[in-house]
Amino acid sequence: NAGVTQTPKFQVLKTGQSMTLQCAQDMNHEYMSWYRQDPGMGLRLIHYSVGAGITDQGEVPNGYNVSRSTTEDFPLRLLSAAPSQTSVYFCASSYDRDQPQHFGDGTRLSIL
Amino acid sequence: GESVGLHLPTLSVQEGDNSIINCAYSNSASDYFIWYKQESGKGPQFIIDIRSNMDKRQGQRVTVLLNKTVKHLSLQIAATQPGDSAVYFCAEKPGGYNKLIFGAGTRLAVHP
Repeated sequence: NAGVTQTPKFQVLKTGQSMTLQCAQDMNHEYMSWYRQDPGMGLRLIHYSVGAGITDQGEVPNGYNVSRSTTEDFPLRLLSAAPSQTSVYFCASSYDRDQPQHFGDGTRLSIL
Repeated sequence: GESVGLHLPTLSVQEGDNSIINCAYSNSASDYFIWYKQESGKGPQFIIDIRSNMDKRQGQRVTVLLNKTVKHLSLQIAATQPGDSAVYFCAEKPGGYNKLIFGAGTRLAVHP
């Protein structure tokens, strides 16, 4: 049972490049979410999904897209990377919205 | 606006002492609260949660207290150990919403 798996662990991009951060969970959780964590700040919600085919915006959705074609996977896409998107990105999942979320170990992303 | 904050950004304790980490929340409609522990380079790890119909919940060496009158949440760690050194986050879920709002975190440093 791997829990929540995020890939890659580290990534460096140039401004304007696009990329997809992968997130997969093997716990059959319906609820999945993406957060970013910046120094000295808590986690801020980017996008979330309450089930396959359903996504919604969080606090800081601009510059990011998500889709949820399966229960297991919830990729996060950066359309045109900007230095302000340099951050650590965490994916989380839970059985439903009123259960504890389980987090992956993060993707450390630097935009030059 | 909605916010979750912490009174002390850094807490230093002696090994074996009890630790108390405090958190203030602003949304009186929040119905679910969670404490997470985050070690360096890792994702947040669930510690304990509490629902708004309770005022206390105990786990192994940890206790969460909820005071809805003053919108205050605390995490008590008994017999603090070096392995407890980490950043601790509280999070709240406003009732009817699908998202968690995180505080900025408190760093707990345990000294021998």
